[in-house]
Amino acid sequence: QVQLQESGPGLVNPSGTLSLTCAVSDSINNNDWWSWIRQPPGKGLEWIGEMSHGGGMNFNPSLKSRVTISVDKSKNQISLSLNSVTAADTAIYYCVKNFGAWGQGTLVTVSS
Amino acid sequence: QTVVTQEPSLTVSPGGTVTLTCASNTGAVTSGYNPHWFQQKPGQAPRALIYSTSNKFSWTPARFSGSLLGGKAALTLSGVQPEDEAEYYCLLSYGGAWVFGGGTKLTVL
Repeated sequence: QVQLQESGPGLVNPSGTLSLTCAVSDSINNNDWWSWIRQPPGKGLEWIGEMSHGGGMNFNPSLKSRVTISVDKSKNQISLSLNSVTAADTAIYYCVKNFGAWGQGTLVTVSS
Repeated sequence: QTVVTQEPSLTVSPGGTVTLTCASNTGAVTSGYNPHWFQQKPGQAPRALIYSTSNKFSWTPARFSGSLLGGKAALTLSGVQPEDEAEYYCLLSYGGAWVFGGGTKLTVL
């Protein structure tokens, strides 16, 4: 089964930009959908958005204005960028393939 | 605002059967909402169990099944095992946007 590994800064300043990458162990196909999902400590799951290498994309309306997701087939990598972050963006961020395969998640804390 | 509602908590005895449900404030849940179900144990990433209402992944135990029941998506566990104690989340599609339910904490006691 495919392995997904998120990485990025564990601490981001308020009003800054959260940037994460997801390393994918298998080749990226046009038909796969790559999502980012987050979970604030002790709370439930929130879908952030998704993208396919084929060009399709969808975003959570509440986050759409701040989110960028990209798929780099040459690097086997998925990326997430979330700007103008606040403490409310503190969460474990998961990279997910077709909702079936999940990374282990990475905790990002927004604090000065 | 779209809201997906699950039972906050349920308790089941080992060997018993329990059904978790997933409702939408927009109306009856149909296959068009493409229901998914996930299991999450403390300190772990969620694990996918069911996709497209009732389809299982290769790793999904046979005792888990998905369906539509009374206008809701449903996850039924038959012959519950102690290791099934976990948080369960449903996920519904709304024309390209996905919304998670708040989760059901299942206790096996």
